[in-house]
Order: sequence, then C-alpha cells, then structure tokens
Amino acid sequence: GNSVTQMEGPVTLSEEAFLTINCTYTATGYPSLFWYVQYPGEGLQLLLKATKADDKGSNKGFEATYRKETTSFHLEKGSVQVSDSAVYFCALSVSASKIIFGSGTRLSIRP
Amino acid sequence: DAGITQSPRHKVTETGTPVTLRCHQTENHRYMYWYRQDPGHGLRLIHYSYGVKDTDKGEVSDGYSVSRSKTEDFLLTLESATSSQTSVYFCAISESADSFYEQYFGPGTRLTVT
Repeated sequence: GNSVTQMEGPVTLSEEAFLTINCTYTATGYPSLFWYVQYPGEGLQLLLKATKADDKGSNKGFEATYRKETTSFHLEKGSVQVSDSAVYFCALSVSASKIIFGSGTRLSIRP
Repeated sequence: DAGITQSPRHKVTETGTPVTLRCHQTENHRYMYWYRQDPGHGLRLIHYSYGVKDTDKGEVSDGYSVSRSKTEDFLLTLESATSSQTSVYFCAISESADSFYEQYFGPGTRLTVT
C-alpha cells in the first residue's frame, strides 16, 4: 500500500539553526512527492515538490531531494527564521485518488 | 492564490442534524477533494470528484455524501452528524495529471458537533 511517515514533533529550534524534518514513504508505482506548510488558521500551501527520482525541489530556502533508494524526501533549511514556525506535511501522489499525507510535524522557532 | 472558498467557516451543530459544507472554486480545475484534519492523523480523504457528477469514495467516507452539479461547486453533506465528525474540513482542488495532482487548499471549515 501507500503510506507516508514523518518525524513526530514538535520540533523546537533557535533562529538561524539548521532544520531537518524526516519523511519516508512506501508506494506502488512512481509517486510524486510534496511538502506542504500550514500556518495557524489556514489551509495547507504547497512548499515544494519533486516528481522523479533524484529531483530536488526548492522554495523559500527549503530543499528536499527525492531519494528512491532510501524512499525518503527529507526537508532541510540552512537557517530557519521565526516566520518558519508552522506545521509541515510530507505527501505523495500516485493518481488522482491516491494522495497520501503524513501526520504533520509542528515546528517552532525561538527568537 | 488559487480561488477556493469554503462556507461556512465555522459551524456548531447538534448530534443527529444534517449539515452541508460548500466548496467553491474559480480555477476551473477538474479535480476536487474533501479532507478532514484531526490531531495525529494528518489529512484523510473523505470523497473526491473527477468531474461534474463524477465522484468516488476516499479513506473515511462513512457518514458522508457529496455532490458536484457544476464544475465550480463541491458539496459535502453529513446526513446525521455525530460527535466523531467534529473536525476541521478542507476542500482542495487539483488541475490534472500534468500537475502531478498537486493540491490547492481552501481555508477550512471548523465543525463542532455537540
């Protein structure tokens, strides 16, 4: 079956720290992989995506590389800001009806 | 920002009453989805639509029905609300396979069933 597992939060970091949020997946077929971000009181927004193995998605200083050999899509940022505090969701899509989200990781950044 | 609105944004209702949530899009996207978000569960798919009058069940469809009579509107109905349906409901849209089904989300509806 299809599933997404991401590290449990909350994750608390100081401003300018390095961020990694782990995400691994299982999928039938060839999934596309996504990271979405949710700010308080809002819906999810697409942060970045990768559609095939070895692709790197990037946006707003965040990066994630599609690793087929380790079935992973870890989110990284070199220097986090207070404004990055949010909940981050890893997700995969195989078809229109097979879109699976992880349980989310809450990130808090201390000034 | 994708043009997706949800109504109502908040609702409190009593057990056993019917409830309808509305999702409206202005993007003319083919696919529309209803999810529920609960702590520890991420987002779970309730129903989705792949065209006018074309809908199918998702992972947690029991107790819910949907209808799509126009491209822009997707309705979610709880025929007889239960406390277990207290949740935040999100509508999402997706353009096509060419976009790898990346999702654009509405602002959500917080539903409380007492």
